[in-house]
Amino acid sequence: DTEVTQTPKHLVMGMTNKKSLKCEQHMGHRAMYWYKQKAKKPPELMFVYSYEKLSINESVPSRFSPECPNSSLLNLHLHALQPEDSALYLCASSQSGQGGYEQYFGPGTRLTVT
Amino acid sequence: GIQVEQSPPDLILQEGANSTLRCNFSDSVNNLQWFHQNPWGQLINLFYIPSGTKQNGRLSATTVATERYSLLYISSSQTTDSGVYFCAGGPNEKLTFGTGTRLTIIP
Repeated sequence: DTEVTQTPKHLVMGMTNKKSLKCEQHMGHRAMYWYKQKAKKPPELMFVYSYEKLSINESVPSRFSPECPNSSLLNLHLHALQPEDSALYLCASSQSGQGGYEQYFGPGTRLTVT
Repeated sequence: GIQVEQSPPDLILQEGANSTLRCNFSDSVNNLQWFHQNPWGQLINLFYIPSGTKQNGRLSATTVATERYSLLYISSSQTTDSGVYFCAGGPNEKLTFGTGTRLTIIP
């Protein structure tokens, strides 16, 4: 099973709202990722968690707050977003270290900020 | 960080044609993947290929790690092959994506 699930599929939020995106995998992977993809652009890495610890933060604004409650779950908390944050948010997971780094992606959450 | 150049940016082919997509990397990578993104945004894994050659049906890929490039071959194209193809590479977990090749297969 190489499935990564994400909820919700679509999200519309105002600039004063607080919302969360959720990601789950049951492949026993120890690394999880958040990417942001704007229309007609490639995905861009935001955060990496390795063994439930934040290992990479690509200088993402603090209005995006990641959380990894356990090795299977990854959340992205959103608050005070701007319209330019509207994008497809993709979650991925992989083994880590000796297990290799092949990443598997979820279907994404399409976020619209109004 | 690593720069990834992907070519061509757009490709329009008749059904049944063959194609070659290329990725060049500015530095050595130990993690290299090819993806197909469908119209709904799902990234589908095609190959994990930091080096060597792999084949899966009508698709094959070759990575020449010493020269920092990778090629994706699609043979006997079908309309279902249409979409955006991305390569991505980097050190360990840190993948950088190329700008993609938009492939359109005409019946």
